Amino acid sequence: QVQLTESGPGLVHPSETLSLTCTVSGFSLTGYSVYWVRQPSGKGLEWMGRMRYNGDTSYNSALKSRLSISRDTSKNQVFLKMNSLQTDDTGTYYCTRVRMGIVDYWGQGVMVTVSS
Amino acid sequence: DIVMTQSPTSMSISVGDRVTMNCKASQNVGSNVDWYQQKTGQSPKLLIYKASNRYTGVPDRFTGSGSGTDFTFTISNMQAEDLAVYYCMQSNSNTFGAGTKLELK
Repeated sequence: QVQLTESGPGLVHPSETLSLTCTVSGFSLTGYSVYWVRQPSGKGLEWMGRMRYNGDTSYNSALKSRLSISRDTSKNQVFLKMNSLQTDDTGTYYCTRVRMGIVDYWGQGVMVTVSS
Repeated sequence: DIVMTQSPTSMSISVGDRVTMNCKASQNVGSNVDWYQQKTGQSPKLLIYKASNRYTGVPDRFTGSGSGTDFTFTISNMQAEDLAVYYCMQSNSNTFGAGTKLELK
């Protein structure tokens, strides 16, 4: 069955870099795209960026200067790196599977706190 | 960037009610709007895709309609398990509405 599992540090200090991993199973990264979506605590959803099935990437214009998404298809993993973290980057980070432009599966999310 | 203006922000409802919420896109997005349900402490779940298509296993009390810039999501017979926050998302360039929270009256 389709599964996506996010992992990474729960705590990041201000100005540091966040590194998250999305490990997928039940589908191939060369056949489906993956989006990263985040949700500040108690707030709404924000699309961050995507890794397309063909390896192309695109980013939210508001985050583009700080964000990088990559993948390792042999390990079934997609990576997110975002630098210069601030307290308003605190929240839950989700990776999602995308089929024909539709987000059909979500991971359980990983909570990230930015604090000194 | 395309802005999705979702309304209302919250609704107080009773079991059995008909619930309607809206999303308005700042420019034409065709039929590329999806609707998600997020219950407290859970990840969002897809309910409606491409404006009006019910996702696999979604009860038929959930419907979506609209095209262009105006979209509507309806729950025809509200159940207690439908208490959640609902989000629209336009998939042309991927922006979400701010959400509509359903609460019991």
